[in-house]
Amino acid sequence: DAGITQSPRHKVTETGTPVTLRCHQTENHRYMYWYRQDPGHGLRLIHYSYGVKDTDKGEVSDGYSVSRSKTEDFLLTLESATSSQTSVYFCAISAATSGSTDTQYFGPGTRLTVL
Amino acid sequence: LAKTTQPISMDSYEGQEVNITCSHNNIATNDYITWYQQFPSQGPRFIIQGYKTKVTNEVASLFIPADRKSSTLSLPRVSLSDTAVYYCLVGDQAGTALIFGKGTTLSVSS
Repeated sequence: DAGITQSPRHKVTETGTPVTLRCHQTENHRYMYWYRQDPGHGLRLIHYSYGVKDTDKGEVSDGYSVSRSKTEDFLLTLESATSSQTSVYFCAISAATSGSTDTQYFGPGTRLTVL
Repeated sequence: LAKTTQPISMDSYEGQEVNITCSHNNIATNDYITWYQQFPSQGPRFIIQGYKTKVTNEVASLFIPADRKSSTLSLPRVSLSDTAVYYCLVGDQAGTALIFGKGTTLSVSS
């Protein structure tokens, strides 16, 4: 399995509080992604990064921000958590070598509950 | 990225071969077809990828007809541990985000 860890694995927080989820990789892959997964919706992309300090929005980016100051770490921040952000969050990485198609490797997920 | 359509659910018994078909009518010339598997409480896991004809690995086979408007993931002799959600995706550009549909929930019974 690709070296991807997510922390925390579980978190319960209250509405209005800030929350930061961390994704850490040991593969030195260029691309990193944050997805959320909710019943009936499958996985949806929040933000992704294509290099240090280079990020872009995904399908459901409202209410989320990201930062990538090092190749190995990709942080997802909920500035003011809402109950609608209760979800399972997955981080993924890919090497995305030029000329190849993209195979993504996923982390174990973080279950976030916003009360 | 081309959209895909696949059955919401399928049921099977242990030892049977399971074929999950995915429709991707708008697939582009450069698009590859990729399948992921997801177990409960885990992230998706890459299974197989192909461009045309047939691809086989230790886990599954992928059949792609000449027009490439559909593809079939074949799981030989499934076991209870193959119970999972299977996602079909198409895309071509390395480094772009994947778009996951709702996938096919495969339930294998004894």
